[in-house]
Amino acid sequence: AIQMTQSPSSLSASVGDRVTITCRASQGIGNDLGWYQQKPGEAPKLLIYAASSLQSGVPSRFSGSGSGTDFTLTISSLQPEDFATYYCLQDYNYPYTFGQGTKLEIK
Amino acid sequence: EVQLVESGGVLVQPGGSLRLSCAASGFTFSSYVMSWVRQAPGKGLEWVSTISGSSSSTYYADSVKGRFTISRDNSKNTLYLQMNSLRAEDTAVYFCAKGGYSGSLYGYFDHWGQGTLVTVSS
Repeated sequence: AIQMTQSPSSLSASVGDRVTITCRASQGIGNDLGWYQQKPGEAPKLLIYAASSLQSGVPSRFSGSGSGTDFTLTISSLQPEDFATYYCLQDYNYPYTFGQGTKLEIK
Repeated sequence: EVQLVESGGVLVQPGGSLRLSCAASGFTFSSYVMSWVRQAPGKGLEWVSTISGSSSSTYYADSVKGRFTISRDNSKNTLYLQMNSLRAEDTAVYFCAKGGYSGSLYGYFDHWGQGTLVTVSS
């Protein structure tokens, strides 16, 4: 199974900050990677698919990049509603695997 | 509007069985893969299983293979997860999720249900 290593596991930041979360795959996955946001008590929400495509309705401050084994989610200017946990997911082959998650907290 | 509504989560004893359902609406159900993803209390997300639109292909995580069975009824727009030989470590919120690409066996999850809680305990 492909392992997804996500970092950092937690992050403290302030409103207006630029933040970056990374995921590294244990083997090449092309651009078959998505990023999901989850708030407490809620279902995950798709932010980015195919590594860099913004899901409809998601604010443009979210962006994704990378291909092969290294991927990045960037939030250009943090808003109060962005404090949540973020996960990457490889959908290149089965079994699908998630990163461990990054909890983004208010500084 | 796409809607996914899970049901069937309850408290069950170790070794017991349970069937979860996910009622779908707002899209052509038979055209998309559907999946189950779970989240143990306080833990991260874990992919559980995926089924193709025609039910011809199914995939399972090693942790549930041989114990869980995914199925779908396209006439009822409903996804199922039959869970047998349940263990304490199966305790989790179970989400159903819709595949993002019509006709593809792979791809991201573009819509999720609200989840249903399964508790395995004596």
